Amino acid sequence: DTGVSQDPRHKITKRGQNVTFRCDPISEHNRLYWYRQTLGQGPEFLTYFQNEAQLEKSRLLSDRFSAERPKGSFSTLEIQRTEQGDSAMYLCASSLRLAGGSYEQYFGPGTRLTVT
Amino acid sequence: DAKTTQPTSMDCAEGRAANLPCNHSTISGNEYVYWYRQIHSQGPQYIIHGLKNNETNEMASLIITEDRKSSTLILPHATLRDTAVYYCIVRAPDTGTASKLTFGTGTRLQVTL
Repeated sequence: DTGVSQDPRHKITKRGQNVTFRCDPISEHNRLYWYRQTLGQGPEFLTYFQNEAQLEKSRLLSDRFSAERPKGSFSTLEIQRTEQGDSAMYLCASSLRLAGGSYEQYFGPGTRLTVT
Repeated sequence: DAKTTQPTSMDCAEGRAANLPCNHSTISGNEYVYWYRQIHSQGPQYIIHGLKNNETNEMASLIITEDRKSSTLILPHATLRDTAVYYCIVRAPDTGTASKLTFGTGTRLQVTL
């Protein structure tokens, strides 16, 4: 399978613990995105990378959240001191810029986080 | 990016065409219309996109009105596996910083026997 992969698929943690999620994009894609999705809502943008550079961060990305893409390949999203409000599906997507200014994002299956 | 308006839910009989409307009256001249869908417990899946002309691929057709203020996604022969939430998204061309997708709440399409 050459699609976007995410690990783990499910994570249950206690409030106050730190968690880290991993995303492996499609191999030739230079852009990588993180989104968060709560029940009944569409995904909300968190941050994105072009190669290893983090180019945009949403206001949703509080100081407890940090994302990295150290070698421009896989990415990690860490949440420190988790809160119950962090419970959500965390989605990763990757893309490759196409000619003409349009491009497609391909999503992974997501990591479902439950904070108890 | 321009805001979109979609019906909350729609039903379609299996084998019939599913026509999903989207209003984007504030769309700018250089903004594209994208459609994604999300099957339960999966990540969103790209379907199709267009700028001005109608587009067709193996999954669907996209009809954009001449004034570009609305569009319709057509699934020509809906199957049960097309049951999903369908998102219509308007976005600017890739300028490097305007890269994110802004999802609304989408249309929940239920395909029935």
